[in-house]
Amino acid sequence: DAGVIQSPRHEVTEMGQEVTLRCKPISGHDYLFWYRQTMMRGLELLIYFNNNVPIDDSGMPEDRFSAKMPNASFSTLKIQPSEPRDSAVYFCASSLGWGIYGYTFGSGTRLTVV
Amino acid sequence: DQQVKQNSPSLSVQEGRISILNCDYTNSMFDYFLWYKKYPAEGPTFLISISSIKDKNEDGRFTVFLNKSAKHLSLHIVPSQPGDSAVYFCAGYTSNTGKLIFGQGTTLQVKP
Repeated sequence: DAGVIQSPRHEVTEMGQEVTLRCKPISGHDYLFWYRQTMMRGLELLIYFNNNVPIDDSGMPEDRFSAKMPNASFSTLKIQPSEPRDSAVYFCASSLGWGIYGYTFGSGTRLTVV
Repeated sequence: DQQVKQNSPSLSVQEGRISILNCDYTNSMFDYFLWYKKYPAEGPTFLISISSIKDKNEDGRFTVFLNKSAKHLSLHIVPSQPGDSAVYFCAGYTSNTGKLIFGQGTTLQVKP
């Protein structure tokens, strides 16, 4: 299995532009999580899905952030418009069921908004 | 509201010595606590966990201790090796939500 695949690995964009981050979870996993890593707050949970349905988006910082999971093998996290304070590393993770050992993280997307 | 806190951003130890990484939490509903390890340009990977009903769990060189009354846990690495140099994240898990809540991370450097 190729693991959780995120693209792009790096993204540099100008303030005000739309940014779309992509994630392909491990086949068969029914949970998908989006996290953001910053120095101040560490790994923050933004949103998670179960069977493609958003369950908890309480961590999404603002309306500028949105996430979708149109099918079991693909999810996007969109920021529109982007701001410099959105600069961070964004991780996607997937798991099979609730199991605490089942979280598998992707390698992340480093976003820089200038 | 930072439910999981790692107050030491960094730690440096000599190879062969003990590394102790600390973590505090505020949420009494956590059922499990986990430690993840992260190398640069990679995603975090699971290292070791402990149930909230236990006070110690050991796996090779890694031991996690839980003090529920103090809402504190720690990860001990003995002996430390240069390959242990990474960022270590502490996380709390609640079974009824399936959510993992992470701390800020501690960067460990093990010097040869």
